[in-house]
Amino acid sequence: DAAVTQKPRYLIKMKGQEAEMKCIPEKGHTAVFWYQQKQSKELKFLIYFQNQQPLDQIDMVKERFSAVCPSSSLCSLGIRTCEAEDSALYLCSSSPQGNSDYTFGSGTRLLVI
Amino acid sequence: GQQVQQSPASLVLQEGENAELQCNFSTSLNSMQWFYQRPGGSLVSLFYNPSGTKHSGRLTSTTVIKERRSSLHISSSQTTDSGTYLCALERGYNQGKLIFGQGTKLSIKP
Repeated sequence: DAAVTQKPRYLIKMKGQEAEMKCIPEKGHTAVFWYQQKQSKELKFLIYFQNQQPLDQIDMVKERFSAVCPSSSLCSLGIRTCEAEDSALYLCSSSPQGNSDYTFGSGTRLLVI
Repeated sequence: GQQVQQSPASLVLQEGENAELQCNFSTSLNSMQWFYQRPGGSLVSLFYNPSGTKHSGRLTSTTVIKERRSSLHISSSQTTDSGTYLCALERGYNQGKLIFGQGTKLSIKP
């Protein structure tokens, strides 16, 4: 079982609805990352938190997503208004500070219809 | 252009054959990592290999930074090795994000 927990495993939303997915990083890890993977495509970096502060994110996240880590043991990624193109597997990863040892969760698979 | 290129995109082998997966990158890197992606989507770390050769059971990873390439060798393949293998580079020390290749889908036939 992954030490990074993601919920829910599956999420189905209508276009225009809001979506939210959660990630519990591995205990003691201070860095949290979100990636998006569309069907048969490479993982795409979305946002990176260090000690709960966002340090890097792509423009799409700034414009349409909401991502926070209210505590060291919980992060969430939200989509304000779902679009069909948001259908993808969303993977959360964590790592210790100063260490490239990444642990990935099992992902949340979002389908927007 | 894509910073990380994996080849081949797919590979079909008979059980017992060796597999060679390649990863080429067009940018400087701090580290190279190899992952196995399970059919459900989760990733399993196989190697953290910034340079040189590392071994783990039937798996061997070799990274040659000056040639901007990394390889994953699977010897005596088994049907359970089937799945998608991803390489990813980290450009700077603890810069956070990994840049992934598109993966090699490996199928091992019994």
